[in-house]
Amino acid sequence: DAGVTQSPTHLIKTRGQQVTLRCSPKSGHDTVSWYQQALGQGPQFIFQYYEEEERQRGNFPDRFSGHQFPNYSSELNVNALLLGDSALYLCASSLRTGGSPYYGYTFGSGTRLTVV
Amino acid sequence: GQSLEQPSEVTAVEGAIVQINCTYQTSGFYGLSWYQQHDGGAPTFLSYNGLDGLEETGRFSSFLSRSDSYGYLLLQELQMKDSASYFCAVSEPGNTPLVFGKGTRLSVIA
Repeated sequence: DAGVTQSPTHLIKTRGQQVTLRCSPKSGHDTVSWYQQALGQGPQFIFQYYEEEERQRGNFPDRFSGHQFPNYSSELNVNALLLGDSALYLCASSLRTGGSPYYGYTFGSGTRLTVV
Repeated sequence: GQSLEQPSEVTAVEGAIVQINCTYQTSGFYGLSWYQQHDGGAPTFLSYNGLDGLEETGRFSSFLSRSDSYGYLLLQELQMKDSASYFCAVSEPGNTPLVFGKGTRLSVIA
């Protein structure tokens, strides 16, 4: 199946370290959005990539950065990790067409990041 | 900015019907979506309303009233496997990202 693939599934990092999370979108999708989901909360938008550029950004500090590659896959980087960065990081892919509503997101199962 | 309100928890009996409400405030509005997420799993798309009225997909239905900035998800013939978190999410015109509510945790009991 060509669903959304995220790696790694779980990760433990020490405060102050840096982390890179990876996402391969669903086949046919060209847009990747990253979300942070704290326990018991809804997904919070971090940023969105399309055509290898950051198109939209949520209310997250510059410690959060990303990249999209020509094959549409994407990375999320977080520098200077804080305990509060512990969360489930979700990648969602979609097909970007002018004016289309984003109801067709396909999510990956996420990366569970624990900062100790 | 945007805000979405939905109940934090709902409990219902197996075989019954449950309604999960969502009210929203956005500067622009394109549509309301619903996602289901089981513990440890990925959110999965359930339903979308771009226009007022009811959309039905099997045991799940979703309703939207744009004038009231309100929608709901209706789950019929509840099954134990329906125990999960349910999120409403709004989309605005243009290629803007989905904004999610905090979710409603549904517990189905025997």
